[in-house]
Amino acid sequence: DQQVKQNSPSLSVQEGRISILNCDYTNSMFDYFLWYKKYPAEGPTFLISISSIKDKNEDGRFTVFLNKSAKHLSLHIVPSQPGDSAVYFCAARGDDKIIFGKGTRLHILP
Amino acid sequence: NAGVTQTPKFQVLKTGQSMTLQCAQDMNHEYMSWYRQDPGMGLRLIHYSVGAGITDQGEVPNGYNVSRSTTEDFPLRLLSAAPSQTSVYFCASSYASGLETQYFGPGTRLLVL
Repeated sequence: DQQVKQNSPSLSVQEGRISILNCDYTNSMFDYFLWYKKYPAEGPTFLISISSIKDKNEDGRFTVFLNKSAKHLSLHIVPSQPGDSAVYFCAARGDDKIIFGKGTRLHILP
Repeated sequence: NAGVTQTPKFQVLKTGQSMTLQCAQDMNHEYMSWYRQDPGMGLRLIHYSVGAGITDQGEVPNGYNVSRSTTEDFPLRLLSAAPSQTSVYFCASSYASGLETQYFGPGTRLLVL
């Protein structure tokens, strides 16, 4: 049973616009959430994280929002740039384990 | 610092063969983990370790063994390879279980015929 769900396999966004990637989770014991970015033939790289006691964390063009009551988090990228085209993984920590979602492939269109 | 290194980069095995995927880190990280990535399945946790001498199972541990005799190394063993183990394997490490970011290796692509 999937504990971390990314229901959109892919997303296309115009360059300069906002990209919004969504993630849902089922385990209310998760206490930390992370987003990773992955290019083909490379390992994932850390992007941004948020503790379960916060509802927003911002780092440059990247902002993560957490809605605990809905068990939902989202990653906003503003403005979207060509180099943002990649697969984005949502991940959650619980019981010393980091569980990943299936990923969303983001295409930034010129 | 080399970060997280994985060897080999690519391997072809026949069904029933055994092999060890190597993972090493030089950042003195306590936490290390192994994931496999399959199309449409994302990254699934195989095994993890919170420190030398301590290992535990992740989401998909069957068919894999691990050991953690040193802080630096975390090898993944396939005792009898099966075609279902064809995948890309990633090793990762961090100072603590997710409080700090996990650093991933470049991956090992495994094909089991």
